Amino acid sequence: DAGVIQSPRHEVTEMGQEVTLRCKPISGHDYLFWYRQTMMRGLELLIYFNNNVPIDDSGMPEDRFSAKMPNASFSTLKIQPSEPRDSAVYFCASSWDKNTGELFFGEGSRLTVL
Amino acid sequence: AQSVTQPDIHITVSEGASLELRCNYSYGATPYLFWYVQSPGQGLQLLLKYFSGDTLVQGIKGFEAEFKRSQSSFNLRKPSVHWSDAAEYFCAVGVTSYDKVIFGPGTSLSVIP
Repeated sequence: DAGVIQSPRHEVTEMGQEVTLRCKPISGHDYLFWYRQTMMRGLELLIYFNNNVPIDDSGMPEDRFSAKMPNASFSTLKIQPSEPRDSAVYFCASSWDKNTGELFFGEGSRLTVL
Repeated sequence: AQSVTQPDIHITVSEGASLELRCNYSYGATPYLFWYVQSPGQGLQLLLKYFSGDTLVQGIKGFEAEFKRSQSSFNLRKPSVHWSDAAEYFCAVGVTSYDKVIFGPGTSLSVIP
C-alpha cells in the first residue's frame, strides 16, 4: 500500500498567487480530511469528505480556500489568492471512519507565501 | 465544549529513562482515544488507540497508554526511551456523536544522550 500521497511537498509562492495542493487517499478509505498545521494554532481540521462529498467545511478559514474531491482517488485544496498568513504545512489524511478509525496521514505540503 | 489538553508543551528526558506524557479530555461519554506521533518533516502516525475493554493498551515502538475514566485521562508511557523517540506526540479523541476527531496541542519530546 502506497499510503496517502500529497503533492507538492514544498511550495513557495508570492502573495496573490493561486496555490493548489493535491492528495491521493488510500484506496478503499471513504473519508478524506484536510488539516493545516502551524506553530500558533496547532493541527486544525479544514474540511472532510465522505464518499467524495464535502461533509463539514466549517474549518475552512475563508472564501479564499476551496476543496474538491472529483473522485475517490483524488482531492485538491486550493487557495486563491494566497496570503502570507496561509503559510503552513497542509496535511491530507484518509480513513474508513470519521471518529473511530485510524487516520492515515500524508507527509504534508509545506506552503510558504512570500 | 469538548476539548483535549496536553499540559506539557515540551519534555526532555535522558535516553533510557522512563517517559509519561499526559492527556486529559473533556467529554460526556467515553470517547475513542488515540495517540499519534509526528517525526520532523513527517505526517502523523498512530501509536495506539483505545476503544473499550482493557484500559491498558499496547502500541507500536514499545509505547503503552492507560485510560482512567475517573480522571478523564489517557496518558502515554514508555519504560525506556530511545533517542529515536524524539518527536511531537499528539493525543486525540473521537466521539461518534460528533463530526470529527479532536487533536490536542501536542507535546514535544527531546531525548538527551
